[in-house]
Amino acid sequence: GDSVTQMEGPVTLSEEAFLTINCTYTATGYPSLFWYVQYPGEGLQLLLKATKADDKGSNKGFEATYRKETTSFHLEKGSVQVSDSAVYFCALRGGGSYIPTFGRGTSLIVHP
Amino acid sequence: DSGVTQTPKHLITATGQRVTLRCSPRSGDLSVYWYQQSLDQGLQFLIQYYNGEERAKGNILERFSAQQFPDLHSELNLSSLELGDSALYFCASSVAGETSSYNEQFFGPGTRLTVL
Repeated sequence: GDSVTQMEGPVTLSEEAFLTINCTYTATGYPSLFWYVQYPGEGLQLLLKATKADDKGSNKGFEATYRKETTSFHLEKGSVQVSDSAVYFCALRGGGSYIPTFGRGTSLIVHP
Repeated sequence: DSGVTQTPKHLITATGQRVTLRCSPRSGDLSVYWYQQSLDQGLQFLIQYYNGEERAKGNILERFSAQQFPDLHSELNLSSLELGDSALYFCASSVAGETSSYNEQFFGPGTRLTVL
């Protein structure tokens, strides 16, 4: 079946540091890929998405590129802020099935 | 605010009991999804309904059931509760059904269930 693997956290950074959170996937077909963010005490909200190979999703300074050859969708941000502290989930849908598949989540902690 | 509402926010109950969690999707959304989030299992998809009909089933136990009503709100019923059922239960909604894999889901704030 489909699966998503994320780097384990927590990831701890200082403000203005560069962020990368790795995400790789296994799926048949051509899934759509998503990054969701969950702030403390809240539900998940969509951060960005890409629906086909080589697409780049971007939002709020975050970017991720759909790499079919490496089955990856790594999340990056050039300069993180304290307010970016949250849990980030990589997800896919539309691979072998239409059941949404989420990674385990990566906690990001940004210090001033 | 995602527009998805869930009640109650917190629920504390005992083993063996039955509870019902309620979800109202965003206005205009036809699909409702239920997820369970726990520390050891992460975010697990349970079940999806589209316009009143079951569309996809994930890791949902037989003790759990769900339905979507004509007004599109959904309820998740958990019975014969065990300690391991303690978790956050999220509802999400989206416009379309399972064939629109690129549509984002809008998540509610969740119901925290504690089984003592």
